[in-house]
Amino acid sequence: DIQMTQSPSSLSASVGDRVTITCRASQSISSYLNWYQQKPGKAPKLLIYAASSLQSGVPSRFSGSGSGTDFTLTISSLQPEDFATYYCQQSYSTFSCTFGQGTKLEIK
Amino acid sequence: QLQLQESGPGLVKPSETLSLTCTVSGGSISSSSYYWGWIRQPPGKGLEWIGSIYYSGSTYYNPSLKSRVTISVDTSKNQFSLKLSSVTAADTAVYYCARLYYYDSSGYLNWYFDLWGRGTLVTVSS
Repeated sequence: DIQMTQSPSSLSASVGDRVTITCRASQSISSYLNWYQQKPGKAPKLLIYAASSLQSGVPSRFSGSGSGTDFTLTISSLQPEDFATYYCQQSYSTFSCTFGQGTKLEIK
Repeated sequence: QLQLQESGPGLVKPSETLSLTCTVSGGSISSSSYYWGWIRQPPGKGLEWIGSIYYSGSTYYNPSLKSRVTISVDTSKNQFSLKLSSVTAADTAVYYCARLYYYDSSGYLNWYFDLWGRGTLVTVSS
């Protein structure tokens, strides 16, 4: 199985900050990496697919980068509605996947 | 606007079988380019993929759950279902159904979950 490790597990930041979350795969997954945002009591929402493609309707302050084993999700200027938990997910395996353990982004 | 809705018992006894159904509305479950999946989330924990199914019945399962999981599809009802046998307290979770979109990117298959149901909490307890 491909293991996905996110860092940090939690992060405190302020509105307006630039924030970066990292996801590392246990083997090369090319660019088969997706990012989701989850707010309390809600289903996850797709933000980024194929490592760097922005899902329709997602604000441009969200961006993704990376390939191989190391990936990042960046929020360029945090907004109040961005405080949530973020998950990476590998889609290298055909219709089978693993998620990272999540990064909880909290208000400082 | 396509929507997914999970339904099923909220309480299941240990050793019994958990059964959930996801109803797809506003679109056809038989559309090409889509698989349909189940993902769960224990309280306060992360996401775990359970399995995925195509409208033809082709399935993929999480190896750690494969011996206990069956996912099926009923195209006449626009539904797909999850059965998880021999449940324990560790199977207590919010269960989500989701649409999996796949596409060809320069000869390589890429995919992601682009639409999710609201989720349903299933508690395993006697």
